[in-house]
Amino acid sequence: DVKVTQSSRYLVKRTGEKVFLECVQDMDHENMFWYRQDPGLGLRLIYFSYDVKMKEKGDIPEGYSVSREKKERFSLILESASTNQTSMYLCASRGHEGYLQPQHFGDGTRLSIL
Amino acid sequence: GENVEQHPSTLSVQEGDSAVIKCTYSDSASNYFPWYKQELGKRPQLIIDIRSNVGEKKDQRIAVTLNKTAKHFSLHITETQPEDSAVYFCAAKAAGNKLTFGGGTRVLVKP
Repeated sequence: DVKVTQSSRYLVKRTGEKVFLECVQDMDHENMFWYRQDPGLGLRLIYFSYDVKMKEKGDIPEGYSVSREKKERFSLILESASTNQTSMYLCASRGHEGYLQPQHFGDGTRLSIL
Repeated sequence: GENVEQHPSTLSVQEGDSAVIKCTYSDSASNYFPWYKQELGKRPQLIIDIRSNVGEKKDQRIAVTLNKTAKHFSLHITETQPEDSAVYFCAAKAAGNKLTFGGGTRVLVKP
């Protein structure tokens, strides 16, 4: 069974801080994704990565960056946290056996920026 | 890029009745349409998906239909039970590596 693990379930940070959200998957998946989930807006893609050191912007990349130094780990970075980045953040991964494969999600990190 | 709209945003049904959630998409090149269920405080989990070469797919009490001409797809839950209460997301995948999600539907099954 695919396991996608996010390092924190809840996180509270202050405006202006640099924030790191970590995600690890154990299925050797090539593709990894970061979403934010807000009521009524569904899941919006921030960034994704299809290979080590490769990244592509999603639909709402502003204010975020990512890092993928190892295949199993994908980090989301809030360079200078702002209150409008308070949200639920979900990581997902997907294998490369064809593109028509489901994504597997982590449990999410609820981030509050004060 | 792809745009997915989902309706209704909330749905309340009596236990045993059917529930239907509808999604429309904009990119005619989309070829994969998964549905995810997210229970309160838990991760989204895939419940059913359909590919563009299929018009309908069924798995026990849930079914998905796809109308490529009209660019819409629907989730049908029959004989609803309290454990069906959750937020449901539709999604569509066009060219490239990413899914575009709808806004979600909160389903409440009343006993």
